[in-house]
Amino acid sequence: AQKITQTQPGMFVQEKEAVTLDCTYDTSDQSYGLFWYKQPSSGEMIFLIYQGSYDEQNATEGRYSLNFQKARKSANLVISASQLGDSAMYFCAMREGSAGANNLFFGTGTRLTVIP
Amino acid sequence: NAGVTQTPKFQVLKTGQSMTLQCAQDMNHNSMYWYRQDPGMGLRLIYYSASEGTTDKGEVPNGYNVSRLNKREFSLRLESAAPSQTSVYFCASSPSGFFEQYFGPGTRLTVT
Repeated sequence: AQKITQTQPGMFVQEKEAVTLDCTYDTSDQSYGLFWYKQPSSGEMIFLIYQGSYDEQNATEGRYSLNFQKARKSANLVISASQLGDSAMYFCAMREGSAGANNLFFGTGTRLTVIP
Repeated sequence: NAGVTQTPKFQVLKTGQSMTLQCAQDMNHNSMYWYRQDPGMGLRLIYYSASEGTTDKGEVPNGYNVSRLNKREFSLRLESAAPSQTSVYFCASSPSGFFEQYFGPGTRLTVT
């Protein structure tokens, strides 16, 4: 079974609007971490936001917030006030507590396009 | 601070050739990783090193070897390149524990 599922291959959003990128995960560990990364067309991987499984509040970083619903095993990324520079691939990833070196499992990504 | 650096940025190999991808980090991180990214897929872990002197296989280790030369450097070797190894390779590092990984700029490898 896939550990991380991103069901939206592509999304469009109007500039200045908010957008939600979906991510569901599968783990039997109680302790785990969820991450979102951005990959612009230049190719680098940019860390955006982190949510720990024991964190009671949803993580926020500037215009990024993570809508963490533990019972549903979902960790959706919300980008508020979209900007043209937000156009990129977005990857959800998980690190499980039982993993030795805490390697990340990635989803297949969502390509976000911001329309002027 | 350079962060995570990778060399080379691009490489073309013929089937059967060997090469080593170099990675270095200057953030004093304990853990280092090698991933590959294929079109339409997320990153998949090839090998990782939890700390200096240790290495372990990830999800797709076949056809690769690694060396954790010291705390800073973690190299990935292809002994006999195959077209299936055409990919973009990313090195990453992180502190121990539940911290984000910091990625290098990637190496685009083509095997013909």
